[in-house]
Amino acid sequence: AQTVTQSQPEMSVQEAETVTLSCTYDTSESDYYLFWYKQPPSRQMILVIRQEAYKQQNATENRFSVNFQKAAKSFSLKISDSQLGDAAMYFCAYTRSGGWPNNNDMRFGAGTRLTVKP
Amino acid sequence: SQTIHQWPATLVQPVGSPLSLECTVEGTSNPNLYWYRQAAGRGLQLLFYSVGIGQISSEVPQNLSASRPQDRQFILSSKKLLLSDSGFYLCAGYTRLDRGKGYTFGSGTRLTVV
Repeated sequence: AQTVTQSQPEMSVQEAETVTLSCTYDTSESDYYLFWYKQPPSRQMILVIRQEAYKQQNATENRFSVNFQKAAKSFSLKISDSQLGDAAMYFCAYTRSGGWPNNNDMRFGAGTRLTVKP
Repeated sequence: SQTIHQWPATLVQPVGSPLSLECTVEGTSNPNLYWYRQAAGRGLQLLFYSVGIGQISSEVPQNLSASRPQDRQFILSSKKLLLSDSGFYLCAGYTRLDRGKGYTFGSGTRLTVV
């Protein structure tokens, strides 16, 4: 079974600084998708960034970027120029690509709570 | 694009009472639908998923059940709630066209069993 591990329960960053959140996963699949979701206090799940495993280029979305290391099964999230609004719970998630419609459930890590200090 | 509606937003129920949480989908057809539970400060645990009407797969044997009576309706139920059923319940949808774009989530239901 696929598992997702986030080893940092909590992280903090100074406003305007850069922080990296770690994520590792375990899978025997060669094609899959990886995601970072943000969950603010409202608990709404917000997609931050996504990565397709067959693409070697790391995804970027404005201040958010990932470091995808397929061989190491690592998928870290870098937040640059951190803002107070970035404070939230961040979840790393995995879902396989093939086998539709079955076996496409998303597996989540335990989450990292990010605090942004002014 | 699809929208996931969940209600109620908050629910306080006594131990032993029944439960029915509803999730409906707007803007798409034939989605995969999922129920997740999130304990306080924890990650998301997959409870059930459905690939079509009447098709339910259970991830964790427990006090809950799910049903999909219509293509765009997914219901989470319990006959008798336990204290351990407290948590935040999220419904999510996923379509073949959206593969790789991530799930669409509802706004969740906060359930407190007292």
